Amino acid sequence: QKEVEQDPGPLSVPEGAIVSLNCTYSNSAFQYFMWYRQYSRKGPELLMYTYSSGNKEDGRFTAQVDKSSKYISLFIRDSQPSDSATYLCAIIVSSGGDMRFGAGTRLTVKP
Amino acid sequence: GAVVSQHPSWVICKSGTSVKIECRSLDFQATTMFWYRQFPKQSLMLMATSNEGSKATYEQGVEKDKFLINHASLTLSTLTVTSAHPEDSSFYICSARGLAGGQNEQFFGPGTRLTVL
Repeated sequence: QKEVEQDPGPLSVPEGAIVSLNCTYSNSAFQYFMWYRQYSRKGPELLMYTYSSGNKEDGRFTAQVDKSSKYISLFIRDSQPSDSATYLCAIIVSSGGDMRFGAGTRLTVKP
Repeated sequence: GAVVSQHPSWVICKSGTSVKIECRSLDFQATTMFWYRQFPKQSLMLMATSNEGSKATYEQGVEKDKFLINHASLTLSTLTVTSAHPEDSSFYICSARGLAGGQNEQFFGPGTRLTVL
């Protein structure tokens, strides 16, 4: 079983839709949760970072963590064509530890 | 966020040659640098972790004699792919962790695309 599971998609939605991206993880010791966005042929950029169960909101983006279910989500409201990218979840066991990535979900937002 | 650069951004080489990729943290000191490899439509796979001034720690299955990593300073790490072969063609991405952000924040470089003919 992989440490971090993420559906690679692809996922295609119309402009303005709410997008839900999800990851599950197997190790309950994971403590820190990130979402990265990666445009084609570019390095990943950090979108959001959280370490506790619950929701964290930043503009159109909301990160949600449910430690009891080992499930993390990223919601994108009012999606835009510029949101088209691959979204990767990443998890760290402990402070300063190695990062483990999900497979990444390719998202296309159609105008 | 902090800036990490990579050079070159794209390199094409013949089979059997060696290629050096540089990773620099431009506005912070990187105590730890990571090297990842990403094949098309796949996620990032950690190759090795290096701390300034010490030997790199390689992930299982990554040949340390083929992928030479040097982290000589707090702002520079290099990855040398020795005797590159077509199967080494991939997107190589470095990331750096240091005093710029929280201890758990890693800043990624733009990646280097390696094509081995």
